[in-house]
Amino acid sequence: DGGITQSPKYLFRKEGQNVTLSCEQNLNHDAMYWYRQDPGQGLRLIYYSQIVNDFQKGDIAEGYSVSREKKESFPLTVTSAQKNPTAFYLCASSIHRAGEQFFGPGTRLTVL
Amino acid sequence: ELKVEQNPLFLSMQEGKNYTIYCNYSTTSDRLYWYRQDPGKSLESLFVLLSNGAVKQEGRLMASLDTKARLSTLHITAAVHDLSATYFCAVDIRKTGNQFYFGTGTSLTVIP
Repeated sequence: DGGITQSPKYLFRKEGQNVTLSCEQNLNHDAMYWYRQDPGQGLRLIYYSQIVNDFQKGDIAEGYSVSREKKESFPLTVTSAQKNPTAFYLCASSIHRAGEQFFGPGTRLTVL
Repeated sequence: ELKVEQNPLFLSMQEGKNYTIYCNYSTTSDRLYWYRQDPGKSLESLFVLLSNGAVKQEGRLMASLDTKARLSTLHITAAVHDLSATYFCAVDIRKTGNQFYFGTGTSLTVIP
């Protein structure tokens, strides 16, 4: 079955630690995205990548980093510089930069 | 800065009633998407509207797009409890590279 997977589903982080959220897709999509959702709010774009080895900052990139070494994978690292990282993180992909986005199941990150 | 506004933000309606959710956006776009999110879950694609005047229907939900008015509507007919969820519209702005701008969401509760 084709789809987008994210792991882990739940993640707990101590202050000062970096953590990496995984996002994998087997849809052969070129573009991938990371969003953050805070309780009761909409989605805000963190980073996106339209092709392998290229990515762009979204609206709230500070304190986050990404890589796109393979077409299927777009991991997000939440660094210690992110002041308030507790949120629900959603990964998405689209067949090309202007296509409909499909979402993974999400990772809920909590800072202890 | 692009703004995507949904109203109402919260909607409580009785089963069997009709209602409309509105999505207004502040810049030119001819692509708009509607998503559904259940509590704690990811986003599920509902409708893809790709041109002015587009109308899509699925079950008790119907979505439309008026690009001249920069307005999309999601109409609910004879609501049932299973429709309780949060609904997001997302505007596709290809020129900027930040592909999707999400609305704030409408939290719908259908009361028996």
